[in-house]
Amino acid sequence: GDSVTQMEGPVTLSEEAFLTINCTYTATGYPSLFWYVQYPGEGLQLLLKATKADDKGSNKGFEATYRKETTSFHLEKGSVQVSDSAVYFCALTPNTGNQFYFGTGTSLTVIP
Amino acid sequence: GAGVSQSPSNKVTEKGKDVELRCDPISGHTALYWYRQSLGQGLEFLIYFQGNSAPDKSGLPSDRFSAERTGGSVSTLTIQRTQQEDSAVYLCASSFLAGGSYEQYFGPGTRLTVT
Repeated sequence: GDSVTQMEGPVTLSEEAFLTINCTYTATGYPSLFWYVQYPGEGLQLLLKATKADDKGSNKGFEATYRKETTSFHLEKGSVQVSDSAVYFCALTPNTGNQFYFGTGTSLTVIP
Repeated sequence: GAGVSQSPSNKVTEKGKDVELRCDPISGHTALYWYRQSLGQGLEFLIYFQGNSAPDKSGLPSDRFSAERTGGSVSTLTIQRTQQEDSAVYLCASSFLAGGSYEQYFGPGTRLTVT
C-alpha cells in the first residue's frame, strides 16, 4: 500500500544552519506530495506541495523537489531560524481519491 | 472565511464516561478526516468521509469509537466508555481539490484527557 517514510528526529540545529529532512514514499502511479508543519500547541498547516515529477514546492524559504526516480521529497531550507522550530510531516495523496498518508513527523529545534 | 473548527478545544473526562467531539469543516469541502495524535507521536488515521460514500472506518481502534457526518458537513466523533489510553489530541481535517491535487486543512484539535 501507499506509505511515507521520513527521517526520524529530533533534529537540533543552530540558527542559520542548513536543514534537510528526508522523505521517501511508496505509491502506485503519480501521487501528490506535501509537507505539513505543526508549531507547538497548534494544528497542522500546509507548508508546500508538488503534484508531478520534477515539480518544486516552496514556501517561507523551504523547498522540496518531487523526485520520481528516487521516490523522494526531501525538505530543505538554506538558513533556519528559531521560529522554524516545529514538527514537520511529509504526506502523500494518491492520484485516485483523496486519502492521505502521513509520515511519523520530524521534530526540529533551532537554537540561537 | 473560517477554517476548520473543532469543539471543545479541551475536554477532561472520567474513565468510563462517553465523550463527543465536534468538527465543522470548511464549507464546500467534500472530504472530512479524523486523526489522533498522542503526545509526541505522529498522526494516527481514524476515519474518513467522502461525499455520500460509505466512510472508511479502517483506522478506528475499537468499537468504542464511532463517527458520523450529518448532511455532508458537521461531523461528530464519539468515544464510549473512555479509557486512559484514549487521552490524546483529536484532529479533524477537510479537503478540496486545488491546483491538480487535493489539499487537506486541519482544525486546531481537541485535547482529550481521561482521568
